[in-house]
Amino acid sequence: GQNIDQPTEMTATEGAIVQINCTYQTSGFNGLFWYQQHAGEAPTFLSYNVLDGLEEKGRFSSFLSRSKGYSYLLLKELQMKDSASYLCALGAGNNRKLIWGLGTSLAVNP
Amino acid sequence: DAGITQSPRHKVTETGTPVTLRCHQTENHRYMYWYRQDPGHGLRLIHYSYGVKDTDKGEVSDGYSVSRSKTEDFLLTLESATSSQTSVYFCAIRLQGDEQYFGPGTRLTVT
Repeated sequence: GQNIDQPTEMTATEGAIVQINCTYQTSGFNGLFWYQQHAGEAPTFLSYNVLDGLEEKGRFSSFLSRSKGYSYLLLKELQMKDSASYLCALGAGNNRKLIWGLGTSLAVNP
Repeated sequence: DAGITQSPRHKVTETGTPVTLRCHQTENHRYMYWYRQDPGHGLRLIHYSYGVKDTDKGEVSDGYSVSRSKTEDFLLTLESATSSQTSVYFCAIRLQGDEQYFGPGTRLTVT
């Protein structure tokens, strides 16, 4: 299978840095995606990692280690609007399908 | 931004009635997807399409059928709605970079 594990909930303080982890048990996938979903809204794409290493995009960075079965999303300079769920997904079948984790609900407090 | 709309946005229906949800895209993307999202289960793939008249099942396809007679439209039908199909339904398209872009969702309640 392709079990994907993420923490259910996290809290952090405005202005701080938070790391959201995603671990998985599979040997075959094309790439790893991160999405953000605000309550009552659709998921929106944040980042994609296909090679090991760090991809930086503004305040958000994503890291992948295939050998360790591990990815994380790093959010810097947290803002209240970053309160949302963060979903990790693996690309299967040349990324034709995505296998989703259950998501991590992040609450940013003032 | 990729153009993708879903209709209706909200629907309440009774058990046993047929329901059709529509997903419409404006940019000729080949792949389209239907998901449902429920607390504790996350996003689950119902069906997807890789071209006109080409569709395949996802992990939770029982009780659902789909049709794609035109590139721009992907329809999801619940032949006989049940309370277990109360959910939020998202349509998505696959963009050039392989990421999926989601429609705004349809909130369906089956009473």
